[in-house]
Amino acid sequence: DSGVTQTPKHLITATGQRVTLRCSPRSGDLSVYWYQQSLDQGLQFLIQYYNGEERAKGNILERFSAQQFPDLHSELNLSSLELGDSALYFCASSSGGGRNTEAFFGQGTRLTVV
Amino acid sequence: DQQVKQNSPSLSVQEGRISILNCDYTNSMFDYFLWYKKYPAEGPTFLISISSIKDKNEDGRFTVFLNKSAKHLSLHIVPSQPGDSAVYFCAASGTSYDKVIFGPGTSLSVIP
Repeated sequence: DSGVTQTPKHLITATGQRVTLRCSPRSGDLSVYWYQQSLDQGLQFLIQYYNGEERAKGNILERFSAQQFPDLHSELNLSSLELGDSALYFCASSSGGGRNTEAFFGQGTRLTVV
Repeated sequence: DQQVKQNSPSLSVQEGRISILNCDYTNSMFDYFLWYKKYPAEGPTFLISISSIKDKNEDGRFTVFLNKSAKHLSLHIVPSQPGDSAVYFCAASGTSYDKVIFGPGTSLSVIP
């Protein structure tokens, strides 16, 4: 158990809909990262938050947004969903804001858009 | 443009032998490298890391080698065990680089 909790584990929704994925980081970790893993793809970095503020941005679509709340949990919002958004979405957390530290991953949310 | 490459999508090794997983990177701003292991239906778990001030880091059966001039690193697993069968991701980040970038992964199968 990495200590990172993601909910829900599975989500099935229709095209055009909006969903929210939730992540609770390890106790004490200030950084939260979101990654997308599509079929046969590696982990694509989406966005990072550190202590409530956006720290780094990757290949995140404009239809996607995220935030980190004062209690450090984070949410990833996906809107106007398309079939191609079906993927595993991972959240990870790390201590401090240091880039040279390992991140601990949750078990992921599997999103299926039909 | 893939900044972290793992050119072997899969690798099969006999139990007890050495597994060598390779990773290449293109961005010279990377100075910290990590390896993660991922089992199906689980999130990646951290395995081992190396800073660019070193050329080798060892942890039990796992050793990571870094060749900065070639922008290449490799993970050696000796001896390989069936429980090592998983997807291995190489990742890179840096002091002056905000993001942690993952490679596409190599699926390792250790045959008993």
